[in-house]
Amino acid sequence: DGGITQSPKYLFRKEGQNVTLSCEQNLNHDAMYWYRQDPGQGLRLIYYSQIVNDFQKGDIAEGYSVSREKKESFPLTVTSAQKNPTAFYLCASSRQGRATNEKLFFGSGTQLSVL
Amino acid sequence: DQQVKQNSPSLSVQEGRISILNCDYTNSMFDYFLWYKKYPAEGPTFLISISSIKDKNEDGRFTVFLNKSAKHLSLHIVPSQPGDSAVYFCAANGNTPLVFGKGTRLSVIA
Repeated sequence: DGGITQSPKYLFRKEGQNVTLSCEQNLNHDAMYWYRQDPGQGLRLIYYSQIVNDFQKGDIAEGYSVSREKKESFPLTVTSAQKNPTAFYLCASSRQGRATNEKLFFGSGTQLSVL
Repeated sequence: DQQVKQNSPSLSVQEGRISILNCDYTNSMFDYFLWYKKYPAEGPTFLISISSIKDKNEDGRFTVFLNKSAKHLSLHIVPSQPGDSAVYFCAANGNTPLVFGKGTRLSVIA
């Protein structure tokens, strides 16, 4: 089955701790994205990557870091600098990152909570 | 500054009636628009899209209308079914990553 796999489904972070959210896709898509959903806030872009070994900051990148060493994988690290990390995190991919008629495919999300 | 706005946080509709969800945008560079449906604790799923060269796109019970001069689009669901109850996100694309609205929670009452 082709798709996007996010893990874990639920994650708890202690204060001062860095945590990493996993995102893997087997759709052979070039572009991958991380969005954050807060209640009543919609989806806000954290980081995106249009090609391996390259990524760009989104609207709310502070306190987060990413890497794109493989086409299939785009892990997101929530660092201790992110003061309000509790949210639902969504990973997505698209065939290309530069076309205007791009449709995003989403994973099932990771709920991160602070202990 | 919100580039994609969904001004109605929630909408309730009776089963069998029409649901109309609205979306406004401010960036004239947007040329492709999408609607996503989202259930709690799940990722959004693509519903329907429209290119700026069209003013209407239909797929079964779902129709999206685009009014470029007004920078407004709407999603019509006819007839509405209880399984349509979800949060609907409007999104826009203009050679940048998708920009999403805040969503409208649709409740279809049996």
